Amino acid sequence: GAVVSQHPSWVICKSGTSVKIECRSLDFQATTMFWYRQFPKQSLMLMATSNEGSKATYEQGVEKDKFLINHASLTLSTLTVTSAHPEDSSFYICSASEGLSTEAFFGQGTRLTVV
Amino acid sequence: AQSVTQLGSHVSVSEGALVLLRCNYSSSVPPYLFWYVQYPNQGLQLLLKYTSAATLVKGINGFEAEFKKSETSFHLTKPSAHMSDAAEYFCAVSGEGNDMRFGAGTRLTVKP
Repeated sequence: GAVVSQHPSWVICKSGTSVKIECRSLDFQATTMFWYRQFPKQSLMLMATSNEGSKATYEQGVEKDKFLINHASLTLSTLTVTSAHPEDSSFYICSASEGLSTEAFFGQGTRLTVV
Repeated sequence: AQSVTQLGSHVSVSEGALVLLRCNYSSSVPPYLFWYVQYPNQGLQLLLKYTSAATLVKGINGFEAEFKKSETSFHLTKPSAHMSDAAEYFCAVSGEGNDMRFGAGTRLTVKP
């Protein structure tokens, strides 16, 4: 099956700094990528959808200036959490799909802790 | 818009017993439906998916789900629970754009 790799798997950063999370499709062209966040013991909430070469579409309530998404190639999307605060601590998961495929494949997630 | 509702945030069964995790969906277009399993601090693993082919879908690890349009349901079942099935299970729905909407999740506990 298709493989999506997310890096890093965990990161600790200081409050006020920025952190970048990478999501790569290893064996297919990810025309669309999705970013989710998951708080402890809660479900996944879609943050944004990005199509290669286009600006990301953010869900209502998600600050686009705080969560910068770049999808410059068909195999890589990045999520940058800018000026991170402790309340941004969460599990971030990306997924990717190719063309008209009915399925999106998930990365293994990144646990972000802001101290 | 699509959404799913998972009934029961926590289900506990004995090893060897039937597993039934409930999911109801709402969708304005023919839905694609999915069940995922998540182990602690890990990503999601796809168990099975419905994409408008057969209404009874068989997945990995002995799980299956039946799409019932009349009941707007997509319940997940397994005839005999194993200790290794203990995890968090998510039902999800997507439309044409592959942007999935997840249910709140059901934590399955398996007692020896």
